[in-house]
Amino acid sequence: GAGVSQSPSNKVTEKGKDVELRCDPISGHTALYWYRQSLGQGLEFLIYFQGNSAPDKSGLPSDRFSAERTGGSVSTLTIQRTQQEDSAVYLCASSLQGVNTEAFFGQGTRLTVV
Amino acid sequence: QQQVKQSPQSLIVQKGGISIINCAYENTAFDYFPWYQQFPGKGPALLIAIRPDVSEKKEGRFTISFNKSAKQFSLHIMDSQPGDSATYFCAASIRGATNKLIFGTGTLLAVQP
Repeated sequence: GAGVSQSPSNKVTEKGKDVELRCDPISGHTALYWYRQSLGQGLEFLIYFQGNSAPDKSGLPSDRFSAERTGGSVSTLTIQRTQQEDSAVYLCASSLQGVNTEAFFGQGTRLTVV
Repeated sequence: QQQVKQSPQSLIVQKGGISIINCAYENTAFDYFPWYQQFPGKGPALLIAIRPDVSEKKEGRFTISFNKSAKQFSLHIMDSQPGDSATYFCAASIRGATNKLIFGTGTLLAVQP
């Protein structure tokens, strides 16, 4: 596709269940980011992948959160044992390799934990 | 040190007026300062960006002013239009192996007709 694609667009899950959120970056983009946006809040950095380098996981809020990127392309963000405070929009972005290049965002996955 | 502080949280401007949003940072290693625009239900999109070797960058009605010594930068929207109503985020990143963008908390702009 032409842009960053995220699925599902909406996800409602019960507290305690695990969820997987998917991100398809723009073809050829080696950098991939996950951010979390709570209602009315800014974008909270979660994790950053750049090529074959070790990911920067410094933003993951707890060990219930993990992410992987297979084959340098698709990424999956997994939240285990979801809590109500995990409810937010999860945004994925990708960019070309190199410093200070534009990050293109997907439309996000709205996660609601009930 | 990794924070980017943004103000105001919300802003109401009359059509044709000037919208001004301010950001401040602490980490002098930041060397790229983009502004993103977000409409409801959409992901943020790059609006304009600046590097610290210039003090101002203008693209159409949008201008970034950068004050390196004060560690501040601002977005000016001239002749604001109702279609500019959106949430605006400033951001910063550091040259090097990581291009991690650190975002401000956002400003909700409403331009009244």
